[in-house]
Amino acid sequence: GDSVTQMEGPVTLSEEAFLTINCTYTATGYPSLFWYVQYPGEGLQLLLKATKADDKGSNKGFEATYRKETTSFHLEKGSVQVSDSAVYFCALIPSNYKLTFGKGTLLTVNP
Amino acid sequence: NAGVTQTPKFQVLKTGQSMTLQCAQDMNHNSMYWYRQDPGMGLRLIYYSASEGTTDKGEVPNGYNVSRLNKREFSLRLESAAPSQTSVYFCASKEGSNTEAFFGQGTRLTVV
Repeated sequence: GDSVTQMEGPVTLSEEAFLTINCTYTATGYPSLFWYVQYPGEGLQLLLKATKADDKGSNKGFEATYRKETTSFHLEKGSVQVSDSAVYFCALIPSNYKLTFGKGTLLTVNP
Repeated sequence: NAGVTQTPKFQVLKTGQSMTLQCAQDMNHNSMYWYRQDPGMGLRLIYYSASEGTTDKGEVPNGYNVSRLNKREFSLRLESAAPSQTSVYFCASKEGSNTEAFFGQGTRLTVV
């Protein structure tokens, strides 16, 4: 079945450090890929998305590129801020509408 | 812009009690979902409804039932709550096959 594997956290960085959170997937067909962010006590919000191979999603300084050859969608940010502290989820939506999420990665950014 | 609205936000149940979690969306989306979120487990799909009139089991359906009341509303029922159902429950909706899902704020349920 479809699945998403993302790097386990927690990840702790200093402000202005470079961030990478790895995400790989298994799916039949051509799924769309997403990164969601969850701030403390809140629901999930879409951070960025990519719907086909080689697409790059970007938002708020975060980027991720849909790599079909490596079945990956790694999240990156060049310079993190304290306000980026949250849980990040990689997700895929295959053709059968069943959203599948990774287990989430807790990011803490220290000043 | 309400989006996806879940009620209640918090609930404490005793083992064996029943309750229904309500979810409504005002975006005219066809598909709706119920997830539970547990520490270290991420989000696990309980049930989903690809369109009005259809429901399907997700990854962890045991102990739950759902009703797609109409296009707007998708409820989740616990018939006999167990401590293992202590979790945060999220409802989501989406439209189309390549679009993002929109989430409610969650219901924090504790079963004692």
